Formats: sequence, C-alpha cells, structure tokens
Amino acid sequence: KAGVTQTPRYLIKTRGQQVTLSCSPISGHRSVSWYQQTPGQGLQFLFEYFSETQRNKGNFPGRFSGRQFSNSRSEMNVSTLELGDSALYLCASSLGPSGRAETQYFGPGTRLLVL
Amino acid sequence: AQSVTQLDSQVPVFEEAPVELRCNYSSSVSVYLFWYVQYPNQGLQLLLKYLSGSTLVKGINGFEAEFNKSQTSFHLRKPSVHISDTAEYFCAVSGGSTLTFGKGTMLLVSP
Repeated sequence: KAGVTQTPRYLIKTRGQQVTLSCSPISGHRSVSWYQQTPGQGLQFLFEYFSETQRNKGNFPGRFSGRQFSNSRSEMNVSTLELGDSALYLCASSLGPSGRAETQYFGPGTRLLVL
Repeated sequence: AQSVTQLDSQVPVFEEAPVELRCNYSSSVSVYLFWYVQYPNQGLQLLLKYLSGSTLVKGINGFEAEFNKSQTSFHLRKPSVHISDTAEYFCAVSGGSTLTFGKGTMLLVSP
C-alpha cells in the first residue's frame, strides 16, 4: 500500500499570500489530521477531518482552514500568511477517528517558508 | 485534558551504548501511548505503541518501552544504539479525541 503523500514538499511564499497544501491518505483511511511542526513549539495539532467533517480543531486562528473530499483526500489552506507560519506541515491518516487506539501514519510533510 | 512531558531535549550517547528516553504523561482517562521517530527531513514513523496487555512493548529497530501506570511513564529503551538511530523521538498519548505529542528528544549517537 502506498503511504501518506503530501504535495508540494517545499513551498516559498511571501507575507500576505495564501497557500493550499494537499494530503492523500493511505487507501481505506477515512481520517486525516494536520499538524504544524516548528523548532520552538514542537508538534501542534491543527485539525482533523473524518468522513468529510471537521471533527476536532486545535488552537489556531481562523486563517487556518481545511477540508476533506469524498475520496478522503484533504487540503489545508492558510490565508494572509505571516512570517510565523513558516513550519513543517504534517498530515497523518488513520482508519478511524483519531484518539483512543487509532494509529496515525504520517506523510513526509510540506515545508513552508514565508518571506 | 492530556499532556506529555519528555524530560530531555537532547540525549548524547556513544555507539553501542544503551539508551533510555524518558516520557511522562498526564490524562484524566485511560490512555494509549505511542513512540514515533523522525529522521531528518522526513515525517514521523511509528516505533511502537501500548494499547493494553503486557506493559513491556517491543517495537521496530530493537526499541522497547515499558508502560508504568503508577508512575505515569512510558520510557523508551534500546540496549545498544547505532549511528543510524540518530533522530528525534516523540512520545504521544491518546486518551480522548486527539493525539497529543511531547516536545521531542533528539538522540545524538556518536562513534
């Protein structure tokens, strides 16, 4: 089975722009979670989608949004980019909703640099 | 609410020496515990997980971890490390509806 794929792998944007990142989960997985990883804050949970519905949301401003399609692929969007949004954005998929005994499988990440 | 504390941000060790990476958690409900490893410029890879049963869990690459409920700990161990084990290690707890990660421990293996 193919693993979790994320596109693009690298991205450079300038302040004020918007960006869309894509994630394709492992075949059969219906849950997709997004995380932001920075050296200072570590791994921070952004949101989770299960069966096209947002199930959980982390403590991030409304500039961060996402969606999930019927084939379980997910996108996240960041509008009005700020320098502090520079980070590695990781996507993870699982069979069922996150939490409890579900194992999350991670993609390689998209590294976003905001200038 | 749940939280994870990884007590060491960096652990330097010589090749073939044993290593222990410490992880403590807090949660108001029963938990499931995970260790992930992240190699440079890669995503996270599952090392091992504790769901129930035996408190000693064996994972990939010779790693093992022990769940200690009374001490709320889930320390990761390897009896003999290799240069290729140099990576960042994350402990995570799942007790509610999300997976919560610790800040990570960088394992630095030198010859």
